[in-house]
Amino acid sequence: AQSVAQPEDQVNVAEGNPLTVKCTYSVSGNPYLFWYVQYPNRGLQFLLKYITGDNLVKGSYGFEAEFNKSQTSFHLKKPSALVSDSALYFCAVRDKASGGSYIPTFGRGTSLIVHP
Amino acid sequence: NAGVTQTPKFRILKIGQSMTLQCTQDMNHNYMYWYRQDPGMGLKLIYYSVGAGITDKGEVPNGYNVSRSTTEDFPLRLELAAPSQTSVYFCASSYPQGVTMNTEAFFGQGTRLTVV
Repeated sequence: AQSVAQPEDQVNVAEGNPLTVKCTYSVSGNPYLFWYVQYPNRGLQFLLKYITGDNLVKGSYGFEAEFNKSQTSFHLKKPSALVSDSALYFCAVRDKASGGSYIPTFGRGTSLIVHP
Repeated sequence: NAGVTQTPKFRILKIGQSMTLQCTQDMNHNYMYWYRQDPGMGLKLIYYSVGAGITDKGEVPNGYNVSRSTTEDFPLRLELAAPSQTSVYFCASSYPQGVTMNTEAFFGQGTRLTVV
């Protein structure tokens, strides 16, 4: 089975500073990777995805992610954090279920706290 | 489009009671999923469906049942509620395209269930 790991339960950053939320993956074959964000009391929202091509993927709300094949990583980044970016962030990978269908598999999530 | 709609938003059940969590989507997606979210544990897949009449178990199916009689609806049934089923439940849908099946998932706002 494919999997992703998010090594940090929480990331703290000051407003205006760059932020990074880490994700590493374990897949056989080509990886299909996603980032989602969850605001309090809401469902997950899609931010961006890597399928193929350019290693730097741009997404919603100024976020981007860098795919690094040699380090098996897909870190989420933003050049200048906003207080409103405070949320729970999930990395996900396209996995193959036992029945043969493709399903999203999520990491445990990282809580991002941006301090004013 | 309303997207993915879940009802109810909150529910308190007594041990042994049963209930159905409703999920409907208006995007004509063929894939639908049920996840549960527990603090620090990320999202665990309960059941999924790749189309009307087709369902399959995910990672944590015990204590739950599903049906998919239409493309739009994917209800989740709890037959004998247990305290271990206290969680936040999310329904999601997607429309995998092409060989890579790489489209993102759309989530409902969740149902917060407490079993006492």
